[in-house]
Amino acid sequence: AQSVTQLGSHVSVSEGALVLLRCNYSSSVPPYLFWYVQYPNQGLQLLLKYTSAATLVKGINGFEAEFKKSETSFHLTKPSAHMSDAAEYFCAVSGLSGSASKIIFGSGTRLSIRP
Amino acid sequence: SQTIHQWPATLVQPVGSPLSLECTVEGTSNPNLYWYRQAAGRGLQLLFYSVGIGQISSEVPQNLSASRPQDRQFILSSKKLLLSDSGFYLCAWSVGTGRETQYFGPGTRLLVL
Repeated sequence: AQSVTQLGSHVSVSEGALVLLRCNYSSSVPPYLFWYVQYPNQGLQLLLKYTSAATLVKGINGFEAEFKKSETSFHLTKPSAHMSDAAEYFCAVSGLSGSASKIIFGSGTRLSIRP
Repeated sequence: SQTIHQWPATLVQPVGSPLSLECTVEGTSNPNLYWYRQAAGRGLQLLFYSVGIGQISSEVPQNLSASRPQDRQFILSSKKLLLSDSGFYLCAWSVGTGRETQYFGPGTRLLVL
């Protein structure tokens, strides 16, 4: 079985500061891991995906995440926050059900950026 | 390129009325299709998924049903809406087998009064 825990339902950082959104996972198989972003009243957009290749994954908008098996973590970072990064971020792990992929989502972290 | 559409974008319905939300995908064949619900301030709950025409798997017993009458069309329905059905409904698609990325539509905001 797979599960995801996102630590902190709300994170606030100043513009230009480091963004760190935490995610821990549990998986009975080698995991595929995702970060999605959701802007208000919109669908989810894929930021990046880990598929057992490089442990440091680079995504869109300057975000990256590092897979750490020993810590069962997949934290999302960005060196310098922009006002446009304000959104809800979801960490997710992929499970399997028959022939369809199933993604288990965390409860989300709302990122606010202070001017 | 692939695109996914959801209709309508916003819907306000009285309790007890029927519901039909539509999702269509363009630019791909035989996609896996998914319906999620996102309640206010909460994460995503998988409601249904489909791997082919007429093949529906339900994740959560509830007041809703899903159908897939065509390869790239996925419909979410209810005969009688409840207040608790309010939320943001998202459709998603993926292709292939295994643990493929899911791509999401723009969503439908449903308010049941």
